[in-house]
Amino acid sequence: DAGVTQSPTHLIKTRGQQVTLRCSPKSGHDTVSWYQQALGQGPQFIFQYYEEEERQRGNFPDRFSGHQFPNYSSELNVNALLLGDSALYLCASSLGVWQGAGEQYFGPGTRLTVT
Amino acid sequence: TQLLEQSPQFLSIQEGENLTVYCNSSSVFSSLQWYRQEPGEGPVLLVTVVTGGEVKKLKRLTFQFGDARKDSSLHITAAQTGDTGLYLCAGRRGNTPLVFGKGTRLSVIA
Repeated sequence: DAGVTQSPTHLIKTRGQQVTLRCSPKSGHDTVSWYQQALGQGPQFIFQYYEEEERQRGNFPDRFSGHQFPNYSSELNVNALLLGDSALYLCASSLGVWQGAGEQYFGPGTRLTVT
Repeated sequence: TQLLEQSPQFLSIQEGENLTVYCNSSSVFSSLQWYRQEPGEGPVLLVTVVTGGEVKKLKRLTFQFGDARKDSSLHITAAQTGDTGLYLCAGRRGNTPLVFGKGTRLSVIA
């Protein structure tokens, strides 16, 4: 049973560029959430996708956008990259939008470095 | 302002020692989770607690949810080098997004 997969593993971009990160959820899951984890911090919620729509969004600017495909996989796009966008980007999948203590499973993350 | 405060930030102990890490908030949570994250990997869920006063055990790990559902603790008995990692607590209020603390970085030395 495949868990959550993310690609690429590492990425180096220049300030001002755009980046796309990809996530495939755990088999049987239909909801994908994206988190940003800066060095020395806990993950911060970016947004959640369910039924190909953004359902909830954290405190992130519009430069961060996403998409969910019919097969439940998801992309995170970041435009006009800033140095402060350097972080580990985590994808988590779950079954259904959050209800109570619903569990989610995290992928290994994509390490983005902006120079 | 951090909604969930974890303490200590760093902890280095010898193998075989016991330890407790804390997760505190002024807010009430409907559920609280503990994760362990190793370098280069995503967080792995250890436990979910939902009832005030609830205690859950996972082998040598004991998790407690405070009576008022504002705080939690993780106690490890006879720590092993394999327990080394970043321990994160995360809370949810209703159907709002999961909120994480900054974590406690544990190093267990042989």
